[in-house]
Amino acid sequence: KAGVTQTPRYLIKTRGQQVTLSCSPISGHRSVSWYQQTPGQGLQFLFEYFSETQRNKGNFPGRFSGRQFSNSRSEMNVSTLELGDSALYLCASSLVGPESNQPQHFGDGTRLSIL
Amino acid sequence: EDQVTQSPEALRLQEGESSSLNCSYTVSGLRGLFWYRQDPGKGPEFLFTLYSAGEEKEKERLKATLTKKESFLHITAPKPEDSATYLCAVRTGANNLFFGTGTRLTVIP
Repeated sequence: KAGVTQTPRYLIKTRGQQVTLSCSPISGHRSVSWYQQTPGQGLQFLFEYFSETQRNKGNFPGRFSGRQFSNSRSEMNVSTLELGDSALYLCASSLVGPESNQPQHFGDGTRLSIL
Repeated sequence: EDQVTQSPEALRLQEGESSSLNCSYTVSGLRGLFWYRQDPGKGPEFLFTLYSAGEEKEKERLKATLTKKESFLHITAPKPEDSATYLCAVRTGANNLFFGTGTRLTVIP
């Protein structure tokens, strides 16, 4: 069974640009969450989608946005990139929404570097 | 304020030397506590879910336990391949998921 797939694995951008990251969940999983991981802050929750609807949102500025498609695939967009946005961006999927309290399964992330 | 704290930040063990990692939490309504293992350059890999105080789960050399304020991940006779960062996460009554910053475990042959 294929796991969570994130593309691209590595990305280099400059300040002010925008970027779109992609996540394909495990087949049959309908919930997708996004996290930012940095050495100092650990894993910080960005947002969670279920059935194409944003169910939960973390404490990040509006430059961070996301969406989920009808096939459960998800994209995350960051506009007007800043140096501090350099991080590993992780996507996680679970079978159903957060109310079910099921564990999340993670992809290997996209490493975003801002120059 | 909901908070998850892991200790120690880093732990070095000799192969075969058993120890425990701690995850303490102060959250409003615990719905579940999750343990993950993360290898360098990889995403976290799910290990265990614990739902209520007194619950225990085991997998090979790992055993997770839960009380009303903390969880322990016990590692018995660790091997070098157990070296990784271990993360715990807590889902609150409001369905928010909070991660600790992890314990970086190194097992020396």
